[in-house]
Amino acid sequence: NAGVTQTPKFRILKIGQSMTLQCAQDMNHNYMYWYRQDPGMGLKLIYYSVGAGITDKGEVPNGYNVSRSTTEDFPLRLELAAPSQTSVYFCASTPRGLAGFQETQYFGPGTRLLVL
Amino acid sequence: RKEVEQDPGPFNVPEGATVAFNCTYSNSASQSFFWYRQDCRKEPKLLMSVYSSGNEDGRFTAQLNRASQYISLLIRDSKLSDSATYLCVVSAGNMLTFGGGTRLMVKP
Repeated sequence: NAGVTQTPKFRILKIGQSMTLQCAQDMNHNYMYWYRQDPGMGLKLIYYSVGAGITDKGEVPNGYNVSRSTTEDFPLRLELAAPSQTSVYFCASTPRGLAGFQETQYFGPGTRLLVL
Repeated sequence: RKEVEQDPGPFNVPEGATVAFNCTYSNSASQSFFWYRQDCRKEPKLLMSVYSSGNEDGRFTAQLNRASQYISLLIRDSKLSDSATYLCVVSAGNMLTFGGGTRLMVKP
């Protein structure tokens, strides 16, 4: 298993450009998550999905969109990049929800995004 | 008040030392608790889950105090390879809330 994969590893965007961060997992996990991590800070949840066709907002969803058409893929879309979106983006998955379960979150290697 | 608070450190300790980190959380409905380890410029990886009765995994011991809403991590006989940032993570429902992390540097 490749686990959770993310592309690209690094990207520089100009203000106002758009891009899609790709995330895929081959573990047949139902739940997938997008986080951002700013320097010296903890991870903040952007969006999550409990299964194909179902997505929901996390703590910091503004400026982002997601879709989940398949179990494997969970892309994150930035429509109008802003300097405040400079961050490291991590995708993660779990077999099922964490409500009452001691489940491990499996993280991808991250995408470093710089918006200038 | 942050939902999950940690001392950012850094904690600088010599090899072989015992070091302890604490973490406090504000949501009394939190259900699951974890310590993740994050190496520089890498993704977080689960170090250990934290159970109500406390649990141990080799040199690592985790404790949970629900009444006071804090979690601790004790590392015994520190190794150079333990140098990393340790993230306290708390879950409620389908979401995890991460602390800002505590940086540990183990020196020879």
